[in-house]
Amino acid sequence: DGGITQSPKYLFRKEGQNVTLSCEQNLNHDAMYWYRQDPGQGLRLIYYSQIVNDFQKGDIAEGYSVSREKKESFPLTVTSAQKNPTAFYLCASSIGPRTVPAGELFFGEGSRLTVL
Amino acid sequence: GQQVMQIPQYQHVQEGEDFTTYCNSSTTLSNIQWYKQRPGGHPVFLIQLVKSGEVKKQKRLTFQFGEAKKNSSLHITATQTTDVGTYFCAERLNGGYQKVTFGIGTKLQVIP
Repeated sequence: DGGITQSPKYLFRKEGQNVTLSCEQNLNHDAMYWYRQDPGQGLRLIYYSQIVNDFQKGDIAEGYSVSREKKESFPLTVTSAQKNPTAFYLCASSIGPRTVPAGELFFGEGSRLTVL
Repeated sequence: GQQVMQIPQYQHVQEGEDFTTYCNSSTTLSNIQWYKQRPGGHPVFLIQLVKSGEVKKQKRLTFQFGEAKKNSSLHITATQTTDVGTYFCAERLNGGYQKVTFGIGTKLQVIP
């Protein structure tokens, strides 16, 4: 089945620890995105990538890091520098970047991170 | 950066009533995408509007893009309990770095 797989679904971490969230897609999409969702705040963009080995900061990149070494994979690391990391994290992918009009986003099922 | 404002943030309706959510921007939008997120789920794409004044329908859902491409709306006729969820609008830039910016979402509750 084609789609986006995020893991783990639930994650608990202690303050001061880094944690990496996995996002894998087999849709052959060029573009991948990471969003953070908090109650009442919608979806806020953390990082996005249009091609392998290239990525851009979104609106709330501080305290996060990413890599795009393979087309299929876009892992997100939540570092200890992120002041309020407890949230629901969503990964998405789409065709692009040269597609006009732009394509739709396909989302994974999300990873819920709780910092204790 | 580009901001997409969405109202209302919450809406409770009686089953069978209509529902509308609005998306506004101070600048011209490249396009508008609409997504639905069921409780406990992830956002799922509904539709994309590209042209000025465009209107698209999906059964009981009607999507509009303003003539100036600065606003959009989603209207649901005769809501059902299956319509419950949060509806998001999003702008996706064409070409180059295709940043996708979401509105805050409208959470719809349908009272049976």
